Amino acid sequence: AQTVTQSQPEMSVQEAETVTLSCTYDTSESDYYLFWYKQPPSRQMILVIRQEAYKQQNATENRFSVNFQKAAKSFSLKISDSQLGDAAMYFCAYRSKTGNQFYFGTGTSLTVIP
Amino acid sequence: DSGVTQTPKHLITATGQRVTLRCSPRSGDLSVYWYQQSLDQGLQFLIQYYNGEERAKGNILERFSAQQFPDLHSELNLSSLELGDSALYFCASSPDRGRLNTEAFFGQGTRLTVV
Repeated sequence: AQTVTQSQPEMSVQEAETVTLSCTYDTSESDYYLFWYKQPPSRQMILVIRQEAYKQQNATENRFSVNFQKAAKSFSLKISDSQLGDAAMYFCAYRSKTGNQFYFGTGTSLTVIP
Repeated sequence: DSGVTQTPKHLITATGQRVTLRCSPRSGDLSVYWYQQSLDQGLQFLIQYYNGEERAKGNILERFSAQQFPDLHSELNLSSLELGDSALYFCASSPDRGRLNTEAFFGQGTRLTVV
């Protein structure tokens, strides 16, 4: 089975600064999807950004961008101009092309310091 | 608002009891997923349904069962409840109608407390 690893249980960033959250995954497939989800204290799971493996261009959504390194099986999330509302648990997720279950990492808890 | 509706939002019940959690997916989404999240834990995949049929199974206990109905809503049944079943149960849905429709949208969860 595929595995997703988030090696940083906790991270902190100063407001307005930039932070990068790491994610690695293990798969033998060549085509798949990767996601970052945010879970704020409300516990709602919110999709932040999505990347398709066959696309070389890194996905970007406003202040959120990814660094997708397919050969290294790495998928990091960069948050620019961090805001207090970015404080949350962030989960990296993998989904194979066959479209079955999502595999989630264990999460990184991000604290934003005013 | 993700468009995925879960009811009830909170549920308190006693050990040994049975409960049913309900999920209405986003309009048109064919896949429904159920996840369990215990306190300060990650997401544990329980089961996936696609257009009424079971598609994938995770670490779902035999005391738990689920189904997806013709109108695509889904129910998760938890029986012989134990204290350790206390958790946040998420339902998520995904369109799964082609390459570009693969992300999952989550409901707000049902917080189950077993006392």
